Amino acid sequence: AQSVTQLDSQVPVFEEAPVELRCNYSSSVSVYLFWYVQYPNQGLQLLLKYLSGSTLVKGINGFEAEFNKSQTSFHLRKPSVHISDTAEYFCAVSHITGANNLFFGTGTRLTVIP
Amino acid sequence: DGGITQSPKYLFRKEGQNVTLSCEQNLNHDAMYWYRQDPGQGLRLIYYSQIVNDFQKGDIAEGYSVSREKKESFPLTVTSAQKNPTAFYLCASSMPGNEYEQYFGPGTRLTVT
Repeated sequence: AQSVTQLDSQVPVFEEAPVELRCNYSSSVSVYLFWYVQYPNQGLQLLLKYLSGSTLVKGINGFEAEFNKSQTSFHLRKPSVHISDTAEYFCAVSHITGANNLFFGTGTRLTVIP
Repeated sequence: DGGITQSPKYLFRKEGQNVTLSCEQNLNHDAMYWYRQDPGQGLRLIYYSQIVNDFQKGDIAEGYSVSREKKESFPLTVTSAQKNPTAFYLCASSMPGNEYEQYFGPGTRLTVT
């Protein structure tokens, strides 16, 4: 069985401040890891993904995430946020073998304060 | 432009009525998915289809039905058996061999009263 935990349901942060959105997962098999962003009343957009190789992955809009296998974490970071980053962020995992369905966390709502 | 379209964006129905949500893609993707999104619960998989004329139940299939007669289309019917149908519904698709990376449509918000 697998699960994805996003510890913070809401994260307020001032504009130009750094932010970290936390994601932990549990799985009995190796996984791929993803972060998706959802702007209000829209679908999800892939922000970044970890499949293999370097544990630090860079995505769109200046976001990056680091895969930490020992801590089973995949935290999302941005050094300086903008108002336009206000959105809901979802962490997701997929098994490397077998069914490749995505399993999502419950989401973190990032609110950037001017 | 290639992408996934869902229509309508907002849908209102009376309790006891079936309603069908549309999902069309022109990305030439084999696999398509339907998710339900509720506040604080993330996305939950309703049904998915990896190929035409074949589909599988997801985690919360009860009260829903789907068909996959064409590669481009994967309509979802919310039946009167679904006890709590009011939600945001998202359709997605993925490339062959890359089922883990999904492309999402803009969603349909269904309200049943």
